[in-house]
Amino acid sequence: QQQVKQSPQSLIVQKGGISIINCAYENTAFDYFPWYQQFPGKGPALLIAIRPDVSEKKEGRFTISFNKSAKQFSLHIMDSQPGDSATYFCAASNAGNNRKLIWGLGTSLAVNP
Amino acid sequence: DAGVIQSPRHEVTEMGQEVTLRCKPISGHNSLFWYRQTMMRGLELLIYFNNNVPIDDSGMPEDRFSAKMPNASFSTLKIQPSEPRDSAVYFCASTRGQSYNEQFFGPGTRLTVL
Repeated sequence: QQQVKQSPQSLIVQKGGISIINCAYENTAFDYFPWYQQFPGKGPALLIAIRPDVSEKKEGRFTISFNKSAKQFSLHIMDSQPGDSATYFCAASNAGNNRKLIWGLGTSLAVNP
Repeated sequence: DAGVIQSPRHEVTEMGQEVTLRCKPISGHNSLFWYRQTMMRGLELLIYFNNNVPIDDSGMPEDRFSAKMPNASFSTLKIQPSEPRDSAVYFCASTRGQSYNEQFFGPGTRLTVL
């Protein structure tokens, strides 16, 4: 049972465009929502994270938008660059399960030059 | 400061053989995670240690899998006997404190079981 559903599975964007990746969850106890970035041959690395007390968090070209009522959160990459080509994972956790991260299946992003 | 270190980076073995994957977490981190990554199932948490004690091993697929953390700087994941369906990339990650914090991943071990 996939508790965090991520879409799309793959995404192709032109350089300078906006990349949008969406995640939906069911467990209302989740209270921490990180996004990880993974380059080929490497392990995932934390990109940006949000708590449900805010609706948006921005770090440079990367923004998380959070909709608590809809139980959805999304990653927006502004001015996408070829160097952003990677696999992106959303995740969620809560204190009730030892803060175990529940992962989405990932989105493979390709930014064309 | 070195990141999480995993060895070997690649392992090819035959079905039925024992496989041991190794991990050295970042110094000072007291939580360690073993993950398995496949295209079909994504990232799966296998086991989570805190202060060298297994906290959650509900993700360990079956008795063929075992993990140990004899001290704060070393952990192993063992598969015995290995099967072709165990082929995957296995990641080790560490963090300071509870798993709420940023997890730092190693480069992974790509395991192929023939």
